[in-house]
Formats: sequence, structure tokens, C-alpha cells
Amino acid sequence: DVKVTQSSRYLVKRTGEKVFLECVQDMDHENMFWYRQDPGLGLRLIYFSYDVKMKEKGDIPEGYSVSREKKERFSLILESASTNQTSMYLCASSLSGATGELFFGEGSRLTVL
Amino acid sequence: AQSVTQLGSHVSVSEGALVLLRCNYSSSVPPYLFWYVQYPNQGLQLLLKYTSAATLVKGINGFEAEFKKSETSFHLTKPSAHMSDAAEYFCAVSDYNNNDMRFGAGTRLTVKP
Repeated sequence: DVKVTQSSRYLVKRTGEKVFLECVQDMDHENMFWYRQDPGLGLRLIYFSYDVKMKEKGDIPEGYSVSREKKERFSLILESASTNQTSMYLCASSLSGATGELFFGEGSRLTVL
Repeated sequence: AQSVTQLGSHVSVSEGALVLLRCNYSSSVPPYLFWYVQYPNQGLQLLLKYTSAATLVKGINGFEAEFKKSETSFHLTKPSAHMSDAAEYFCAVSDYNNNDMRFGAGTRLTVKP
């Protein structure tokens, strides 16, 4: 069974803290994505990666960075968390060049106080 | 750029009634279209996808959607709603590379007994 695992389901952090959200997939997928989900706004793409050490900005990259040192792992980093980054964060993966679906993790709900 | 618009942020139906969730897309290239479902506190999972084969696509749990190029629509239907269908539904559009998937704002489906 395919699996995308996000390390933390719920996090509470303080303004200014550095936050790491980790995502691991076991499907040997080339593509990995980080989305942010907010009520009424749907999913907005933060960053995606189509290969190890490669990254591309999505629609809302400001305040975020990513790291992909290994094919199976894609990390989202908030260098200095702010209250407007309180949200649900979803990681996903997919095969490259296919008409395939995105496989999603269960999400990480981040609250920044 | 591709985009989708979901008409209606909330839809409420009675158990056994028809479910109709609306999605219109905008794409400069032949699109791939998807419907995803999100149950409470979970990630998204694929319901069905259109990838330029048959225009009527059948998915899981009795859902289906019809691609209508002339109307740029991909509405999701189910003949008879079940209580377990209560969830949030997202329409999404992608190009061939699948690294630029765009989601709608979502429609929350409520099923009344």
C-alpha cells in the first residue's frame, strides 16, 4: 500500500521559532509537493520538487523554504514562524510525467502563537 | 495558467438524494481533471480522474463525473447520497507534467438523515 507519512500531525510553535515539517514517501516517486490548506482557499502550492536537490516555487513560497536531500524525503522549513502561517500543511507525491494522481499525507496542523 | 472554480462552498442533501458538485476549469492545454475527497482530519484521496479517454469517468464509492469540453466543466455526481459521503470535495486540474496541479476552493458536502 502506498504511503506518504508526515512526521507531526499537530504542532504548536511560538512566533519566531524555526519549524521543520518532514514528509517521507515509500513509492519511489520523483515529484513531491507541499501545499497549504486554509478554509475557503482550497490547497495552495508552496513548493514542489521533481528530483533530488531540485525545487521550484509554487504560488505562495514567501516565508518558506524546502529541502530534498534524498528522493523519499521532502522537508518544509519555516525560518521564523509567524501567526499567519497557522494552517494545515499537506505533503504529496506523484510519478513524473504521468497522468497519475497525487498521493497525500494526512496533514500537519500547525498553530503559531 | 490553469485554474478551477467550484460553485458552492457548501452543499447539503438528504440521504438517498442526488449529489451534484460543480467544477469548471480553465486551461490553455488539454487538461487532466481530478476529484479528490477529504474526510475529517485526513489527507486527500483520489475519487476519479479524467485523462483524455472516456468523457464519463467512474470513480470509487459510486461517484462519477463527465468531462464537457464545450462547457469547460467536470461536475461530480452520485445518484444516491449516503451518510458516509459527508466530506470535503476538491476539483483539480493539471497539465501532462503533473507538477502544476491546481485545486479549487473545495465544497463541503453535508448529508442529512
